[in-house]
Parts: sequence; structure tokens; C-alpha cells
Amino acid sequence: GQQLNQSPQSMFIQEGEDVSMNCTSSSIFNTWLWYKQEPGEGPVLLIALYKAGELTSNGRLTAQFGITRKDSFLNISASIPSDVGIYFCAGQYSNYQLIWGAGTKLIIKP
Amino acid sequence: EAGVAQSPRYKIIEKRQSVAFWCNPISGHATLYWYQQILGQGPKLLIQFQNNGVVDDSQLPKDRFSAERLKGVDSTLKIQPAKLEDSAVYLCASSPFRGPISGANVLTFGAGSRLTVL
Repeated sequence: GQQLNQSPQSMFIQEGEDVSMNCTSSSIFNTWLWYKQEPGEGPVLLIALYKAGELTSNGRLTAQFGITRKDSFLNISASIPSDVGIYFCAGQYSNYQLIWGAGTKLIIKP
Repeated sequence: EAGVAQSPRYKIIEKRQSVAFWCNPISGHATLYWYQQILGQGPKLLIQFQNNGVVDDSQLPKDRFSAERLKGVDSTLKIQPAKLEDSAVYLCASSPFRGPISGANVLTFGAGSRLTVL
């Protein structure tokens, strides 16, 4: 099936560092969604993006809807231990079909 | 508002046995989804309901998986007979449906039901 290319697959970071991850696709999407999943839980919505070029923040998180509508970026500033988890991007077509990335696993170095 | 409720949280069965998962979506959410998430992967859509009608079941292995959403509220996903490769977390999600309006279809997920097939 169709897929998004999400990178990196995993990140080891020091507390306080900034984090960047992205998703790219050959398809054009109407909406980009970023979710976070912690162990034993379902994904939780972090940020939703609805327009090409849109830049949206949620606390220390900032996400952008790429101008080509084929990519999206998520940045986390000044990471803290509770940022640990798996971050998923999802692109939504005009018919509401969602395509998911494989996830970026964020690990904080002790 | 109450979230998406799923049960059971954990289930261990032997291959060829059957299992059923239940989901109660957020009140008023017209759209309900069942996803399969294998360890280390993103969610994979199994079936999508709009009220009590099926919108998309193209990736549902219909020889062994079935789902229903009677009365357009809660839903049951059944696997019979189970195979080893069905070991996964089964996630239910729901969303409001407001037509072709920007931002109308954000999904809220339940905590999932973890299935282990031995």
C-alpha cells in the first residue's frame, strides 16, 4: 500500500536538545497530522495542519505543512524526558483516507 | 468528554482460536476505525465505518476477520481462526464527520487491545 517516508527511524538525544523529524511522500495531501504514542497507549494527536505552508505550534512542538503539500516537519525544542515515545506522521487525502508513516522513536540518553 | 473505550486490553490465545475486541467511540462520532499495529510499525487501517455502513474494508483479511457496528455506535472486531501473524495491537479510533470541511476528520484513538497468538 501507499506509504509515507518518515525519518529518522530513531533518535538518541540529550535532554535539552532540539529534535527534528520529517515525512515525505510522492502524493499530495490535504491535511497532515502528527501523533505521539507512548508504550501501552494509542496515538495521541499533537498537531494538525490544514494548509500548505502552515506553521503551527503546540508548546515546545512546531510543525509545518510543506509548500508542495508532499511533506511535513515536526520540531521539538529543548527536549525533556517525557518527550520519549514514538512520533507518527499521517497524511490525509481529500477523501479522508489516512496514510501513516512508520514512526520516529525518540530516546533520551541518560 | 469520555475517550474511546476498548476491551479487553490484553488477550492471549492459541492459533486457530477465535477472539473478539470491543470498541465504544466518543459520543456523537460518526466515523469509527479499526487499525492493526504490529510492533515497530505504524497503524494499518483494517476497516472504516461511517455510522453503521462500511466505508473502506479493502485491507481487512475477510477470510478470518470480521467487524460490525450495529446501531452506528459501538463496534466489534472478530478474528477466527487466529494466526501467529495476527499478534498485534488492535486500535480503535473515532472521529466526527462534518463533510468536506478543513480539519473535520481528526482521529481520537483508544488505548488498544494487545493480542498475542501462541
